[in-house]
Amino acid sequence: EAGVTQFPSHSVIEKGQTVTLRCDPISGHDNLYWYRRVMGKEIKFLLHFVKESKQDESGMPNNRFLAERTGGTYSTLKVQPAELEDSGVYFCASSPGTARAYEQYFGPGTRLTVT
Amino acid sequence: GNSVTQMEGPVTLSEEAFLTINCTYTATGYPSLFWYVQYPGEGLQLLLKATKADDKGSNKGFEATYRKETTSFHLEKGSVQVSDSAVYFCALRGTNTGNQFYFGTGTSLTVIP
Repeated sequence: EAGVTQFPSHSVIEKGQTVTLRCDPISGHDNLYWYRRVMGKEIKFLLHFVKESKQDESGMPNNRFLAERTGGTYSTLKVQPAELEDSGVYFCASSPGTARAYEQYFGPGTRLTVT
Repeated sequence: GNSVTQMEGPVTLSEEAFLTINCTYTATGYPSLFWYVQYPGEGLQLLLKATKADDKGSNKGFEATYRKETTSFHLEKGSVQVSDSAVYFCALRGTNTGNQFYFGTGTSLTVIP
């Protein structure tokens, strides 16, 4: 079974540019999560999809971040325009249905560097 | 609110040494507690978990006991190997905060031969 995959593994952009991160969850997982680790600090929750619907987006830092999950499969996280403080590692995770929702499987992360 | 405080690193140990990584938490209700490990170049992997007080999670020689009285979930291993070199994250899932996880800052462990 393929794990959670993320693309790209590393992105370097200039301040003001746009970047789109992609996450492909484990097949059949309804739940998809985005997290972020900034500057070696704790990993923080950004948002949670159940299929194509946003269940919880309380962790999204501001309106420069837009997450989508069209069709309930892969998800994208767009940052527009990027700021220096957006640099960090963005993790995606997926989990099965409600009864096993605590079993979150993480991808390798996308390292975003904004210069 | 929910939060996790984790021992700061980096930690460097010699092979076969005893490992303890401290983790304490703040939460309302009865959270579930986890340790995740991130090996170089890979994603976070669930190492072990405990879902209620006094539960002991164990895997690959690592253990952690859910101590509600001290709000702790310290990670231990009796004899570390070079292959245990990784970053370790303590995390909790709250009882009334949906499915989101709250993580500590991570502790980098390097085991030298």
